[in-house]
Amino acid sequence: AQSVSQHNHHVILSEAASLELGCNYSYGGTVNLFWYVQYPGQHLQLLLKYFSGDPLVKGIKGFEAEFIKSKFSFNLRKPSVQWSDTAEYFCAGGRGYQKVTFGTGTKLQVIP
Amino acid sequence: DAGVIQSPRHEVTEMGQEVTLRCKPISGHDYLFWYRQTMMRGLELLIYFNNNVPIDDSGMPEDRFSAKMPNASFSTLKIQPSEPRDSAVYFCASRAQGTDTQYFGPGTRLTVL
Repeated sequence: AQSVSQHNHHVILSEAASLELGCNYSYGGTVNLFWYVQYPGQHLQLLLKYFSGDPLVKGIKGFEAEFIKSKFSFNLRKPSVQWSDTAEYFCAGGRGYQKVTFGTGTKLQVIP
Repeated sequence: DAGVIQSPRHEVTEMGQEVTLRCKPISGHDYLFWYRQTMMRGLELLIYFNNNVPIDDSGMPEDRFSAKMPNASFSTLKIQPSEPRDSAVYFCASRAQGTDTQYFGPGTRLTVL
């Protein structure tokens, strides 16, 4: 079955540390990939997305993700995290726009 | 635009009771999605509608769950009878035709005792 998996369920970092959250997908062929963020008490917001073209995608708040087709991966990165990045991060994927499958999420806690 | 609106924000009910969650999508959006978020299973798509018509309800866990979209500006997700394992946060999201970004509502936190 087509799926998206996130292997890190809970990550704790100190401020200014670098971040990389893993995401793997199992779709064959063309796939659209997304990262969403859910800040405490808020609803999900789109961080960035990849449909085609440059495999390195830049999103809001200094986040980026790299689509590596050979590894079926779409890892999220940020060179230096801030306390305000504490949130839950969801990777999602799908074909076209219709049905998007979400990963189980990674809770990021940034310690001042 | 006020964004996607969901009500209630919190619901606490007893096992066996009927629960109705409500969603108002962003005006002009053609797609509406219902998701359930739990610690164990993460964010799961339950059902989605296009132009008020249910397209894929394969994520609905069982017959106790039903969803309707009587018009373009309103949808309900009903659980009857509710069970403790239904406790979760239920999100509604909407998207415009031909675009790729879903906009999520604030969610309804359901607790079934």
